[in-house]
Amino acid sequence: DTEVTQTPKHLVMGMTNKKSLKCEQHMGHRAMYWYKQKAKKPPELMFVYSYEKLSINESVPSRFSPECPNSSLLNLHLHALQPEDSALYLCASSSVVVGKAFFGQGTRLTVV
Amino acid sequence: QQQVKQSPQSLIVQKGGISIINCAYENTAFDYFPWYQQFPGKGPALLIAIRPDVSEKKEGRFTISFNKSAKQFSLHIMDSQPGDSATYFCAPLYTTGFQKLVFGTGTRLLVSP
Repeated sequence: DTEVTQTPKHLVMGMTNKKSLKCEQHMGHRAMYWYKQKAKKPPELMFVYSYEKLSINESVPSRFSPECPNSSLLNLHLHALQPEDSALYLCASSSVVVGKAFFGQGTRLTVV
Repeated sequence: QQQVKQSPQSLIVQKGGISIINCAYENTAFDYFPWYQQFPGKGPALLIAIRPDVSEKKEGRFTISFNKSAKQFSLHIMDSQPGDSATYFCAPLYTTGFQKLVFGTGTRLLVSP
């Protein structure tokens, strides 16, 4: 199984809502990532978890809250988002040492 | 943040032609040089990668050429097909210790039928 599964595929939320994005992998990878991608731009790194611990936070606003409950799951909790946060949110995983990363299909988020 | 610059920004190639995309980097510590391919509405997928101990790697129609002294590496797509139309990102990194995957600016390739 070389898949990274993200749910939901699409999400529309209001600025006062609380929602969560979910990501799952069963490749035994111990590094997991959240990226944000705006249209016609490269993915931008948000968070990195290594061995279930937050290793990198790229100065992301606190309205985005990551969580890694176990080695297979990664969540991104969303609260009080702004319309400019609308984007494709991508989850990825990799072995900590090897360079190849596997990406999910992403969650297309629209904040209204 | 390490600078990684891709060129061109966009590229139109006729079917059967050769597509060439370049990536220039600054960090001499990089030791893994991948290219990712992304179709609209999908996540990026690793296409091909090279390590600095070789100057070229070929996988099917895709070739990476690596120039360590110039701090550049290129993706060549031979016999380009309409199905190759996608955005391509380079994402060089160093694999010693923890890796941080940061993408280049991207190149949108359109292969016309």
